[in-house]
Amino acid sequence: KAGVTQTPRYLIKTRGQQVTLSCSPISGHRSVSWYQQTPGQGLQFLFEYFSETQRNKGNFPGRFSGRQFSNSRSEMNVSTLELGDSALYLCASSFNRAGGAGAQYFGPGTRLTVL
Amino acid sequence: QQQVKQSPQSLIVQKGGIPIINCAYENTAFDYFPWYQQFPGKGPALLIAIRPDVSEKKEGRFTISFNKSAKQFSLHIMDSQPGDSATYFCAASMGGNEKLTFGTGTRLTIIP
Repeated sequence: KAGVTQTPRYLIKTRGQQVTLSCSPISGHRSVSWYQQTPGQGLQFLFEYFSETQRNKGNFPGRFSGRQFSNSRSEMNVSTLELGDSALYLCASSFNRAGGAGAQYFGPGTRLTVL
Repeated sequence: QQQVKQSPQSLIVQKGGIPIINCAYENTAFDYFPWYQQFPGKGPALLIAIRPDVSEKKEGRFTISFNKSAKQFSLHIMDSQPGDSATYFCAASMGGNEKLTFGTGTRLTIIP
């Protein structure tokens, strides 16, 4: 099976712009989660989508949003970019079987640099 | 209460040694504890995971030890190799929730 894919792999934006990142989960996986990774804050949960619905949300401002499509592919959007948004954005997918959290598999990430 | 504390921050071990990385948590509602390995420029890769109903789990050279009463769990890497040099993260989640709370990471270096 192909792994989690993320596009683009690298992005350079300027402050005030907005950006959209894309994630394709492992085939058959219905849950997609997004994480932000920075040297200072480590890995932090952004949000999770399951069957096109946001189920969980982390402690990030409303500038960070996402959505999931019927084929489980997901996008996240960051509006009005700030310098502090520079980070590696990671997508993870899981089957999310009933009865417990499923194993989550991460993609390679999108490296966002905000100038 | 949502934190997962990980130590040490960095670790250098000779080839063949057994590095041990420790994590502690406060929230007793956590019920799923995975470990991830991350190489530079890559996403985290799931190594092994454990649930609180068992005290130990082995997969290949990787072992998780889990102490429910102490709210601690640790990763042991047997017969460590230079290729194991990476950053390791512990994590925890609760109640079937996919939200993972990560530790701060341990940079492991295995010297030949």
